[in-house]
Amino acid sequence: IAGITQAPTSQILAAGRRMTLRCTQDMRHNAMYWYRQDLGLGLRLIHYSNTAGTTGKGEVPDGYSVSRANTDDFPLTLASAVPSQTSVYFCASSDRENGELFFGEGSRLTVL
Amino acid sequence: GQNIDQPTEMTATEGAIVQINCTYQTSGFNGLFWYQQHAGEAPTFLSYNVLDGLEEKGRFSSFLSRSKGYSYLLLKELQMKDSASYLCAVRDGDYKLSFGAGTTVTVRA
Repeated sequence: IAGITQAPTSQILAAGRRMTLRCTQDMRHNAMYWYRQDLGLGLRLIHYSNTAGTTGKGEVPDGYSVSRANTDDFPLTLASAVPSQTSVYFCASSDRENGELFFGEGSRLTVL
Repeated sequence: GQNIDQPTEMTATEGAIVQINCTYQTSGFNGLFWYQQHAGEAPTFLSYNVLDGLEEKGRFSSFLSRSKGYSYLLLKELQMKDSASYLCAVRDGDYKLSFGAGTTVTVRA
């Protein structure tokens, strides 16, 4: 049982580089989300997608982009990484009707 | 948007009861969730309230008052493994979930 798979698990990145965090789910959930988690700030929503082909901005979207070409995949791209994007990134999915979020194991990103 | 407040830290003794309060202000409300997160791990679902009242699930219970914008999570018969962060989250009308900063519970022997 896979659920949600994120890659990479951990990455150190030089500032200015482009980076894509991958997220795949096998539960056929309609909705998918990207959160970042920082100490003292909790989980903050970056971008979301309610269904394949649509995306929306969350609370902290600047510097990030997403795409949702199909139901299973929801990659998050940092076009030009900055140190303030150092964080733990969680991908999540949910069935829209139920609403319970299922989380991936997280991707720890360090931007130097 | 959502404004969700919960205490930063709580400490309790093994076998005791702890109540974690959560207050929220929201422009649209479609349910309140509690998640548990152990250090270095992903959050896991604990409970869901959409109507006023108490939902009980084993040692964990969650209460909601929509008119007061208030919820609590009650942890009974505390065990050492309950040491974790507990996250209150509110779902808006667009099915997005906004989280509070989390309450770190430390259980002492």
